[in-house]
Amino acid sequence: GDSVTQTEGLVTLTEGLPVMLNCTYQSTYSPFLFWYVQHLNEAPKLLLKSFTDNKRPEHQGFHATLHKSSSSFHLQKSSAQLSDSALYYCALRGSNTNKVVFGTGTRLQVLP
Amino acid sequence: EAAVTQSPRNKVAVTGGKVTLSCNQTNNHNNMYWYRQDTGHGLRLIHYSYGAGSTEKGDIPDGYKASRPSQENFSLILELATPSQTSVYFCASGDATDWGGYQDTQYFGPGTRLLVL
Repeated sequence: GDSVTQTEGLVTLTEGLPVMLNCTYQSTYSPFLFWYVQHLNEAPKLLLKSFTDNKRPEHQGFHATLHKSSSSFHLQKSSAQLSDSALYYCALRGSNTNKVVFGTGTRLQVLP
Repeated sequence: EAAVTQSPRNKVAVTGGKVTLSCNQTNNHNNMYWYRQDTGHGLRLIHYSYGAGSTEKGDIPDGYKASRPSQENFSLILELATPSQTSVYFCASGDATDWGGYQDTQYFGPGTRLLVL
């Protein structure tokens, strides 16, 4: 079945440093990949996602590239901000289903 | 902006009791989902639905039932609640008509905190 792996439970870094959160996946069919962000006491909301036209998604300074050869969709940002502190989920939907599978999440803590 | 609401927002139940969590969406989305969120496990899919009258088992359906009586409403039912079902539950809706496109997104409700004593 489909699965998503986020190896880091907590990432702590200093404001201004680059961010990279890892996401790898397994899927039988060509999947669509998503990143969701959840701030404290809020609901998860979409940050960015892969597209069928392979356009690289970007939002709020974050970007991610779908690498089918390595089954990865890592989230990156060149310079972390304090407001980026949140829980980040990588998610997958196979091309033949409406079922969406989430990873275990990575908590990003940005320190001044 | 898509709108998903959940009720109740907080619930305390007793072991063995019946609990019903309700979700309403005004987005006219075909797909609806129920997740639970636990530290270390992330968001895990309990049940989902393709439309009114349909329910599908997710990854952790044991101990839960779901009901989709209409396009707008999707309920999660715990017939015999147990302390292990203490969690935060999220409902979400999604558009099934634009796969891989700009509308292929899940919209989450605010969540329900359930405590089973």
